[in-house]
Amino acid sequence: AQSVAQPEDQVNVAEGNPLTVKCTYSVSGNPYLFWYVQYPNRGLQFLLKYITGDNLVKGSYGFEAEFNKSQTSFHLKKPSALVSDSALYFCAVRDTRRSSNTGKLIFGQGTTLQVKP
Amino acid sequence: SQTIHQWPATLVQPVGSPLSLECTVEGTSNPNLYWYRQAAGRGLQLLFYSVGIGQISSEVPQNLSASRPQDRQFILSSKKLLLSDSGFYLCAWGGDGGNQPQHFGDGTRLSIL
Repeated sequence: AQSVAQPEDQVNVAEGNPLTVKCTYSVSGNPYLFWYVQYPNRGLQFLLKYITGDNLVKGSYGFEAEFNKSQTSFHLKKPSALVSDSALYFCAVRDTRRSSNTGKLIFGQGTTLQVKP
Repeated sequence: SQTIHQWPATLVQPVGSPLSLECTVEGTSNPNLYWYRQAAGRGLQLLFYSVGIGQISSEVPQNLSASRPQDRQFILSSKKLLLSDSGFYLCAWGGDGGNQPQHFGDGTRLSIL
């Protein structure tokens, strides 16, 4: 079965420290992976994606993610966290079970990031 | 550039009343369109998706329906709302390529009384 797991409901870090939000996936074929951020009462904002190529992907707002095929992981990272990074983060993988033109995504349950001053 | 609009931002409806939420996309043609529901600020549940005008796929059995009367318009409806229909409804659009992200509107907070 295709799935995405975000094993931590919440991640707490101090401002200025590095942060990691974990994501593992299970999908048939090559994975197309995405990270999104959601602020309260807002829609999801696209941060970055991995399709192919370099395992380290850089995205918006200083975020990056590392694709690890052997561990089937796609962890989101940032070298120095800001209080304004506090939000809900979603990992997603393209659903490959059906016709490729649907663009459907399978989302994890989300991880709340809390950055404290 | 492409933009997506959802309205209304918030809605309070009595049980048994009808519902119509609208989503429109600008700056792109023939997008894939999606309706999601998010409960309690957590995971997303895909309700419907559409790959073209008049083409609607339902992901879960429910009290809701969707329609796509125009290329860039996606409507979520109900004839009679249930308490369980409360939630945060998100519309999204995406290209038909598998490597394209989805882009989300700002959502509608629906409360059923």
